[in-house]
Amino acid sequence: DAGITQSPRHKVTETGTPVTLRCHQTENHRYMYWYRQDPGHGLRLIHYSYGVKDTDKGEVSDGYSVSRSKTEDFLLTLESATSSQTSVYFCAISETTGGSGANVLTFGAGSRLTVL
Amino acid sequence: SQQGEEDPQALSIQEGENATMNCSYKTSINNLQWYRQNSGRGLVHLILIRSNEREKHSGRLRVTLDTSKKSSSLLITASRAADTASYFCATAPSGGYNKLIFGAGTRLAVHP
Repeated sequence: DAGITQSPRHKVTETGTPVTLRCHQTENHRYMYWYRQDPGHGLRLIHYSYGVKDTDKGEVSDGYSVSRSKTEDFLLTLESATSSQTSVYFCAISETTGGSGANVLTFGAGSRLTVL
Repeated sequence: SQQGEEDPQALSIQEGENATMNCSYKTSINNLQWYRQNSGRGLVHLILIRSNEREKHSGRLRVTLDTSKKSSSLLITASRAADTASYFCATAPSGGYNKLIFGAGTRLAVHP
């Protein structure tokens, strides 16, 4: 997980409270991603960023917002946490490699969020 | 919905045996990647195969891609107990290759 850190690593919160997860990278990669991992679903893309202030939605973006004010930081915010957002959240970074634009992801260690 | 679906969901073998995992996907792709996840850790990239390639090797790993069938397979030869992990395929859709879409994964258990 060198070059990418997530915080907090564990968090327990109550329904209706706001939560922010932080992803910090030291690799100066252009792309940053937030995925959630749930049993039976693999990883599902929440949001991703392709540059400072440039973000786009993934397949499960409802209830989440993101911000990227600096290259190195990508924040995921749950405005009002719900029990369905209990999950393990992974941040990933990538840089386009090769002429055909293949992105290989490097993942953080994950943030386990429990919403009671 | 998920792009990639792995088969089988779980696989249990003895050390020294080969392990084969399959991945099917739905739309055209730019490339397909395989990742490994040890329990409680983040995913680690193993190998990438582009849509114009049919087979790639990396150490004990062999990946095949059949774009006509929209499927890929990952073969781990001479498995070791340390190969015990979950394995995920991820597809980079054509025209949206920055957004990797992961399958649900195959849990591999290699017994000494």
